Parts: sequence; C-alpha cells; structure tokens
Amino acid sequence: SQQGEEDPQALSIQEGENATMNCSYKTSINNLQWYRQNSGRGLVHLILIRSNEREKHSGRLRVTLDTSKKSSSLLITASRAADTASYFCASKAAGNKLTFGGGTRVLVKP
Amino acid sequence: KAGVTQTPRYLIKTRGQQVTLSCSPISGHRSVSWYQQTPGQGLQFLFEYFSETQRNKGNFPGRFSGRQFSNSRSEMNVSTLELGDSALYLCASSLGLAGGKDVETQYFGPGTRLLVL
Repeated sequence: SQQGEEDPQALSIQEGENATMNCSYKTSINNLQWYRQNSGRGLVHLILIRSNEREKHSGRLRVTLDTSKKSSSLLITASRAADTASYFCASKAAGNKLTFGGGTRVLVKP
Repeated sequence: KAGVTQTPRYLIKTRGQQVTLSCSPISGHRSVSWYQQTPGQGLQFLFEYFSETQRNKGNFPGRFSGRQFSNSRSEMNVSTLELGDSALYLCASSLGLAGGKDVETQYFGPGTRLLVL
C-alpha cells in the first residue's frame, strides 16, 4: 500500500482533554502535512512541518517530526467538541503528490 | 479569495457509463491534483496537472484520465465505470512553483461524491 500508518484509528476524549495521534511514513520526505476532514467533506490543511524541522506549533496544535523513525505526531490541546473530525497525515516527497495515512477519527464529547 | 470549487457535488451513474468531474482552483494556483477517497483504500493520489501538463500520476488504470485548461481549471474523466469507482473525488490546488511560504500547501475542494450502481 502507498499509505502510511496512523494510530490510533479512533480516539474518544472529553472536552478539555488533549488528543494525540501518530503517523508513520515509508519514504524520505520533503515535508509532512496534517489535515482535518469533517464527515466525508473536503480536507482542511492544519499544519506543515518541513523535513529539517523537529517541532511546530499553531494555536492549539503541536506537531513533531522524527525523520530517523519516519514518524510524526499531532497533539491537539484543550480539545473542543468542534475538533471532532478525522485527522490525516500526508507525506510529501518530490512533486506535488501527497501520500496519506489511514486517518484517526477523533470524537470529542462535551 | 474564493476557495477550490468542484462540480457536481453529487453524481449517480450506472456501470459502464462515463463521468466527467470539474475542479476550479484558487485564483493564481497553477497546480491541480486529484485524489480518490474510499472507505477501503483511503485517500489515494490520482494525478497532478501543472500548466496544462500532467506532472505526476498515481497507480490507477487508464480509465482514469484528466486534463487542465489554460485557466488552470481541471477535469477528470472516468470511463467504463465500475462499482468500485464509487468514491469521494477530491481536487486540490496549489501554486505549484518553487519558493513562497505556502507553495507546498494544497487546498482542497469539498469533493464530488460519485455513486456507481
């Protein structure tokens, strides 16, 4: 499969808690991106981390990248009900082809 | 700035028919990529067009084709539809050029949901 792996496949947390999901990819990358998708709709770009970066923050999001382990993690702090969605990592090598992971479904309970 | 638009949003076809989907990128974006999303296979890259030329291609059969016009709008065509082609088809646009802070960010449209009966 051309996909990377994401775990967990599903996550259920209470509002206010943190959510952490992990992603592994297979080949050397130029950058890795995280996207959110609500109920089978379009993908919304969340954050991009370049291969020479180790950590990046954007609001309540924190992304780490370990190129030696070919893995990345996304942390959502102080989750809200509106964060309920599927989250996908996408690795990018040369060109504009994104290789997506299988996604993590996050349910934030009010 | 208007986002990526896709038409139609929903489509029902029968096996053997063909279908054409349309994507209008964000103004100024010259790269358009297409992805297929199914519950079983997840998100898979179909192809990318830049300046009217196919620049990258995924592992899909020749029944899947696309093109890009001079205004960067893109269409993808699926001929001889099969039941397994039922999916959400997403297009994404980006500047596609070297340099620029978000050149590598792809902006996705809402998708076209295709059901093949």
